[in-house]
Amino acid sequence: GEDVEQSLFLSVREGDSSVINCTYTDSSSTYLYWYKQEPGAGLQLLTYIFSNMDMKQDQRLTVLLNKKDKHLSLRIADTQTGDSAIYFCAESNVGNQGGKLIFGQGTELSVKP
Amino acid sequence: DGGITQSPKYLFRKEGQNVTLSCEQNLNHDAMYWYRQDPGQGLRLIYYSQIVNDFQKGDIAEGYSVSREKKESFPLTVTSAQKNPTAFYLCASSIGYRDMGRTEAFFGQGTRLTVV
Repeated sequence: GEDVEQSLFLSVREGDSSVINCTYTDSSSTYLYWYKQEPGAGLQLLTYIFSNMDMKQDQRLTVLLNKKDKHLSLRIADTQTGDSAIYFCAESNVGNQGGKLIFGQGTELSVKP
Repeated sequence: DGGITQSPKYLFRKEGQNVTLSCEQNLNHDAMYWYRQDPGQGLRLIYYSQIVNDFQKGDIAEGYSVSREKKESFPLTVTSAQKNPTAFYLCASSIGYRDMGRTEAFFGQGTRLTVV
């Protein structure tokens, strides 16, 4: 079945780079996403990558996809205290099951000054 | 402003009571979803609706009920049959169910339900 796994916690110093990792099991995943959740709030889409891409860069965010290993990562350059949040990896397969999003457990990023 | 609104932000329920969580969107989206969030478990799909007057069970529908009488509204009722209802509930919408994987899903700000 579908499964998305993430480590639960990551702590970095302000100004360093953060790398949040995610693995997934559905080899037919079409789209992979990173969502951000600030305390007590809903989820906000940060970025996404199509499964036929290896990398996508968007300002301070870089997404790397290793389709062979089913591994997705999100790199945040020059991490700021405002980046402290929970980051969710999600995948979807727009085949038979339509577009249902499958979420990982979320990685809580703590940025220390 | 277009968006998706959940209310209330905090809700307290006594054991044995049913409670209803509100979700309204003015994005003209056809599809709406309810997720439950527990610490360290990610988001789990409770129910979803692709169109007015139609809805389907998600992965953890037991103890919950929904209705979709209007395109803009998708209320979730947490019934007394739900054994462990304390959680953070998130509503989302997208252009269409089959488009959810292609287009952005918009989330509400969530309702935190606590059983007292």
